[in-house]
Amino acid sequence: GNSVTQMEGPVTLSEEAFLTINCTYTATGYPSLFWYVQYPGEGLQLLLKATKADDKGSNKGFEATYRKETTSFHLEKGSVQVSDSAVYFCALKDWGAQKLVFGQGTRLTINP
Amino acid sequence: ETGVTQSPTHLIKTRGQQVTLRCSSQSGHNTVSWYQQALGQGPQFIFQYYREEENGRGNFPPRFSGLQFPNYSSELNVNALELDDSALYLCASSLERENTEAFFGQGTRLTVV
Repeated sequence: GNSVTQMEGPVTLSEEAFLTINCTYTATGYPSLFWYVQYPGEGLQLLLKATKADDKGSNKGFEATYRKETTSFHLEKGSVQVSDSAVYFCALKDWGAQKLVFGQGTRLTINP
Repeated sequence: ETGVTQSPTHLIKTRGQQVTLRCSSQSGHNTVSWYQQALGQGPQFIFQYYREEENGRGNFPPRFSGLQFPNYSSELNVNALELDDSALYLCASSLERENTEAFFGQGTRLTVV
């Protein structure tokens, strides 16, 4: 079945550092890929998405590229801020499927 | 603002009791999905409702059931609560036949004691 594996956390960085959170997936079809962010006490917010191979999703300085050859969708940001502290979830959804399949989440803490 | 609202935000129940959680979907969305997020884990799919019919179910027992109403709002019912049912329950709405993204509510934190 479909699955998502994320880099284990927690991840702690200093402000303005470069961020990478790794995500790899296993899927039988050609899924869409997503990154969601969860701030403390809140639900999930869509951060970015990519629907086909080589697509790059981007939002708020975050980027991720859909790599079919390596089945990866790593999240990157060039200069993190304290306000980026949250839990980040990688997820996939097969075309026509009902559900999102999530990774286990990566907790990110940015220190000033 | 996603437009998806859930109630209540927090709830404490006793083992063996029954609970109903509610979700109001974003305007124009015809599909509601429910997820269970245990502490420190990613959300797990419970089931989805499309136009008042169950449209897919995850690996959850029958004591987890749901409804969708004509206005596309939804309820999640859990009978015979167990301690392991303690989790954040998330509702997501989407316009499913367009395969668009899902928008999540803020969740209901259920604690079973």
